[in-house]
Formats: sequence, structure tokens, C-alpha cells
Amino acid sequence: GENVEQHPSTLSVQEGDSAVIKCTYSDSASNYFPWYKQELGKRPQLIIDIRSNVGEKKDQRIAVTLNKTAKHFSLHITETQPEDSAVYFCAAKGDVTGFQKLVFGTGTRLLVSP
Amino acid sequence: DVKVTQSSRYLVKRTGEKVFLECVQDMDHENMFWYRQDPGLGLRLIYFSYDVKMKEKGDIPEGYSVSREKKERFSLILESASTNQTSMYLCASSLRGDNEQFFGPGTRLTVL
Repeated sequence: GENVEQHPSTLSVQEGDSAVIKCTYSDSASNYFPWYKQELGKRPQLIIDIRSNVGEKKDQRIAVTLNKTAKHFSLHITETQPEDSAVYFCAAKGDVTGFQKLVFGTGTRLLVSP
Repeated sequence: DVKVTQSSRYLVKRTGEKVFLECVQDMDHENMFWYRQDPGLGLRLIYFSYDVKMKEKGDIPEGYSVSREKKERFSLILESASTNQTSMYLCASSLRGDNEQFFGPGTRLTVL
């Protein structure tokens, strides 16, 4: 089955710096890659996703890139702000029969210091 | 506004007890999911359902069962709770296809 690895497990940056979180996946047939943000004590929420027919997607200060050949995808946050502090999870759709069976990475705790 | 609710925020049970966790969504979503979240392990899929009375095993189904008798409700059952099932349990729902999963607030279950 699908396996997703996520690095780093923790990331500390200064406000205004960029942050990059990287994930690799094992199943070359995976075709959907969402990113979820979980603030302390809150539920995970989708922040951006990318499908395998696209190499990059941007939404304001966040962007995701996908390299299908290398089987890795990354989340980029520019001009970080304290409210970006949270745990970020990448995921890959590990079931190509059509079911939305996501396999999540182990999470990255991002801390943005003022 | 999508709302996914879970029956309890905190639950304490004894080893061997039967435990029911309930999840309700109000957006007519076809898909519903149960995850457990443990530090350093991320979110792991226990079971999911893509239609009423339909269920599929996730990555860690052992020790759990599920029930989906109505479209809006998805129940997770621990037949005989064990201490290694102490965890945060998250329910989610989504439309059919590759769409956003909306999560509930979670139930923190402690098994003593």
C-alpha cells in the first residue's frame, strides 16, 4: 500500500521567513495530494491540494509543488506569520479504485516566532 | 457551512468495555471516515464508508468495527476496549471523489 514520509518533524522560523515542508510517497499511481493544517486544539482543515496532472499550485502565500518522477511533493509558505504556527500534514490518495483513501504523513510542527 | 459533530469530546472507559463513538454530518456527504491521531504517527485511517451500509477497512482496522445505517451518521465501535486504543479519534466526511475532507472536533478516548 501507499506510504508517505514527511520531513522535518519540527520547523522553527522567524516571522517573514519562508518555510518548506517535504513529503515523499511510494505508490506511483497516487494522483491526489492534499495538505491539512491543524492548529493547537483544533480540527485539521484543508489548506491546499494538487492533482497529478499539475506540477505546481499557488494560493496567496502558500504553494505546493509535485514531482511525479521523484515521487515527492512540497508545501511552501512565504512571508510566514505567527498565525501560520500549527501542525501541517501532507497526504496522498492511496487507493486508485476511486475511493478517497488518504494516507497521511506524520506531521510537521511549524513554529513562527515574532 | 459544513458541520461534522462527534458525540463526546472526552471519554474514559475501562478495559474490556464496549465503546461507541458517533459522528454526524449535515452536508449530505457520501464519504465518511474514522481516523485515530497519535503523537508522531499522524492520522491513520481505521475505516471508511462511501455509502449507507457500505464500509471498507482502512490501514488499522483491527479491534474496531463500524456501522452506517443512515447517510449522515457513522459509528465507530470498540468491541472490547484495550489500553492501546487510548487515542484521539477524528471523524471526517466528504463528497464523493477527490474532495476536501471536513473533520469533526475529535473524541479523546482514555482506556484505563
